[in-house]
Amino acid sequence: DAKTTQPTSMDCAEGRAANLPCNHSTISGNEYVYWYRQIHSQGPQYIIHGLKNNETNEMASLIITEDRKSSTLILPHATLRDTAVYYCIVRSHTGGFKTIFGAGTRLFVKA
Amino acid sequence: ETGVTQSPTHLIKTRGQQVTLRCSSQSGHNTVSWYQQALGQGPQFIFQYYREEENGRGNFPPRFSGLQFPNYSSELNVNALELDDSALYLCASSLRVTANTGELFFGEGSRLTVL
Repeated sequence: DAKTTQPTSMDCAEGRAANLPCNHSTISGNEYVYWYRQIHSQGPQYIIHGLKNNETNEMASLIITEDRKSSTLILPHATLRDTAVYYCIVRSHTGGFKTIFGAGTRLFVKA
Repeated sequence: ETGVTQSPTHLIKTRGQQVTLRCSSQSGHNTVSWYQQALGQGPQFIFQYYREEENGRGNFPPRFSGLQFPNYSSELNVNALELDDSALYLCASSLRVTANTGELFFGEGSRLTVL
């Protein structure tokens, strides 16, 4: 599975959009981009995933660049409860059974 | 809530002891993965079980072993505990179909402290 690079930490004002970048320059054609988040003392929570098209669900939007070497997770209206560590992961859907987590980005949402 | 339950939530052991952690997967999920998360780090993949067999393993020694039962629940066993085994142990269930698709649903974890 390809590796990802994320900033260590980011701040965001409550009510504003939080844009979390992820670099995955070695991603393969069959690898998807997944995002999870982990709120303090809880297990990671799935947010969204995509292959090459932009995706949106009730939690967030995922923007993947055309060359697929980077992506951005967007929380449209961040709240204090969105303070968490956000993990960007790439994994294939065939033969790959382990989801590799990096260190993630610690997002602080401030009032 | 994900429907994945783990027990116990906290426990303390001493070096050399053995520990068993338990996980009940979300209804309908046939695959269970275990992760170790040290303080300040991301979760590290230990192994995955599918149809009661180990289906992939990370870089962990053989003293880390597991079981999956017919109802898809699972156990993680760690023998000869070391201080570095102190961590949050996370169980994740998922539904494996023809391809290994689907997101992981995590439990709240079992926090193990080894003294």
